[in-house]
Amino acid sequence: EAGVTQSPTHLIKTRGQQVTLRCSPISGHTSVYWYQQALGLGLQFLLWYDEGEERNRGNFPPRFSGRQFPNYSSELNVNALELEDSALYLCASSLALGTLAGTDTQYFGPGTRLTVL
Amino acid sequence: AQSVTQLDSQVPVFEEAPVELRCNYSSSVSVYLFWYVQYPNQGLQLLLKYLSGSTLVKGINGFEAEFNKSQTSFHLRKPSVHISDTAEYFCAVSEDTGGFKTIFGAGTRLFVKA
Repeated sequence: EAGVTQSPTHLIKTRGQQVTLRCSPISGHTSVYWYQQALGLGLQFLLWYDEGEERNRGNFPPRFSGRQFPNYSSELNVNALELEDSALYLCASSLALGTLAGTDTQYFGPGTRLTVL
Repeated sequence: AQSVTQLDSQVPVFEEAPVELRCNYSSSVSVYLFWYVQYPNQGLQLLLKYLSGSTLVKGINGFEAEFNKSQTSFHLRKPSVHISDTAEYFCAVSEDTGGFKTIFGAGTRLFVKA
């Protein structure tokens, strides 16, 4: 069974540009989570999508946005890139069994490394 | 969780020695607790999780963790580590804030020396 996949693996952008990162969850998983892993800061929760809707959002500015498609894949968009957006962006998926969502194991992809120059 | 604190950023230890990686959290609601491991150049994978019941949780690769509600801790232990355990370990807490959010600690890098 294929795991969570992310594309691209690496990306280099300049300040002010926009970027789109993509994630395909494990087959059968309806929830997708996005995290930012900046050097020395651990994982910071960005967004949680389930059944096509945004369920929760971390403390990030509105220029971080995303969406989830009918096939449960997801995109993360970052507008007006800043130097501090340089990080590894991790996507995870889970079954998100309704009210038991918080108990779900999250399965992580390998990440997309974004460098902003 | 308002915060998840992993008290040690790096833990060097010799092979076959025991290890404890510490995790404390703060939250005003019930939480679920997780430990994930990230091997070099890989994504995170679940080691173990505490949802309810017995406070001692056993996970993969010989790791276990104990939930202590009064001390709001969830420390990870292994009685004898291997070189292959060298990785970054993340403690995570999931709480219902009107939509579940998982908060991760900053990570502890375990370095096992021969």
